[in-house]
Amino acid sequence: NAGVTQTPKFQVLKTGQSMTLQCAQDMNHNSMYWYRQDPGMGLRLIYYSASEGTTDKGEVPNGYNVSRLNKREFSLRLESAAPSQTSVYFCASSEGWGGENIQYFGAGTRLSVL
Amino acid sequence: TQLLEQSPQFLSIQEGENLTVYCNSSSVFSSLQWYRQEPGEGPVLLVTVVTGGEVKKLKRLTFQFGDARKDSSLHITAAQPGDTGLYLCAGPNQGGKLIFGQGTELSVKP
Repeated sequence: NAGVTQTPKFQVLKTGQSMTLQCAQDMNHNSMYWYRQDPGMGLRLIYYSASEGTTDKGEVPNGYNVSRLNKREFSLRLESAAPSQTSVYFCASSEGWGGENIQYFGAGTRLSVL
Repeated sequence: TQLLEQSPQFLSIQEGENLTVYCNSSSVFSSLQWYRQEPGEGPVLLVTVVTGGEVKKLKRLTFQFGDARKDSSLHITAAQPGDTGLYLCAGPNQGGKLIFGQGTELSVKP
């Protein structure tokens, strides 16, 4: 059971470089999310996709863009990476939209921006 | 803005001890969730509490939702090294998005 798969697991970037974080789920879930986790700050929502074909900003969207490629895949793009984007990024999915639904998380992408 | 405050932020105890982690807010939540996150992994849901005053047990873990649905607690009895990890509470805000507390880092030493 793969669940939610994130790639890559680790990445080091230089300031100004761009990259795309990939996320795929095999649970036929409608909603997908991108969070970042920083020490002492819990998880903060960057962007979400309530259903295929829709995306919306979360709490901390600046510097990021997303694409809901299809029902399975939801990617996060950093156009010009900054040191403040050094973090652990988690993708999650849920059957339906809303915080009442159980969210299933991937193992994370650890990103360092130098 | 709805916020969830967890305490303590760090907890280091010996195997066999009991502990309680708190999750507090000034806002009412329709439900609260507790997640556990092991190093190098994503959070995994432990339990959801929905009704004010509700108590749920999961082996040695006891979860309680406050009567006013503004707070929750997680109590672990006779902690074991396998309980080590980051414990997060989370709840849906008025916009339907899930918001998280800062987390409690638990270390149980053998």
